Amino acid sequence: AQTVTQSQPEMSVQEAETVTLSCTYDTSESDYYLFWYKQPPSRQMILVIRQEAYKQQNATENRFSVNFQKAAKSFSLKISDSQLGDAAMYFCAYRSEKYGGATNKLIFGTGTLLAVQP
Amino acid sequence: EAGVTQSPTHLIKTRGQQATLRCSPISGHTSVYWYQQALGLGLQFLLWYDEGEERNRGNFPPRFSGRQFPNYSSELNVNALELEDSALYLCASSRDGQSRTGELFFGEGSRLTVL
Repeated sequence: AQTVTQSQPEMSVQEAETVTLSCTYDTSESDYYLFWYKQPPSRQMILVIRQEAYKQQNATENRFSVNFQKAAKSFSLKISDSQLGDAAMYFCAYRSEKYGGATNKLIFGTGTLLAVQP
Repeated sequence: EAGVTQSPTHLIKTRGQQATLRCSPISGHTSVYWYQQALGLGLQFLLWYDEGEERNRGNFPPRFSGRQFPNYSSELNVNALELEDSALYLCASSRDGQSRTGELFFGEGSRLTVL
């Protein structure tokens, strides 16, 4: 079974600085998706960034980028020029690319609570 | 376009009672997923419905059940409530169970408190 591990329960960053959140996962599959979701105090989970495992190029969305190391099964999130609005719980998640059944669900890590200091 | 909507926002019940939570997916989405987010435990997968059928179930007892209606909205029922059922219940939807993007869209959740 696939697992996702986030080893940093809490992180803190100064406004305008850069922070990296760590995520590792375990799978025997070769095709899958990886995600970072953000959950602000409003509770709604928002997709931050997505990576397809078959793509070697790291995904980037504005100030958010990932370092995807498939062999090491590592998927870290880098937030550049941190803003106060980035303060939230961040979840790393895995989803198999196989269709249907038990593989269709998102498997989440336990989350990293990011604080942004002004 | 309206996002995933959930009701009620908050629900307080006592042990042994039943709770019903509701979810409306994004228009055009046929798959609905339910997750439990208990304090300190991350998100645990509960149920997945697609095209009106239960497709997969997480490691939860049978007193957690649900259904999906013809309009693709969904209902989660929790019977014989226990204190440890207190959690945020999140609903998510996707275009279909075979979405190539893999992305799920989440609602704001229903906070269930069991006293």
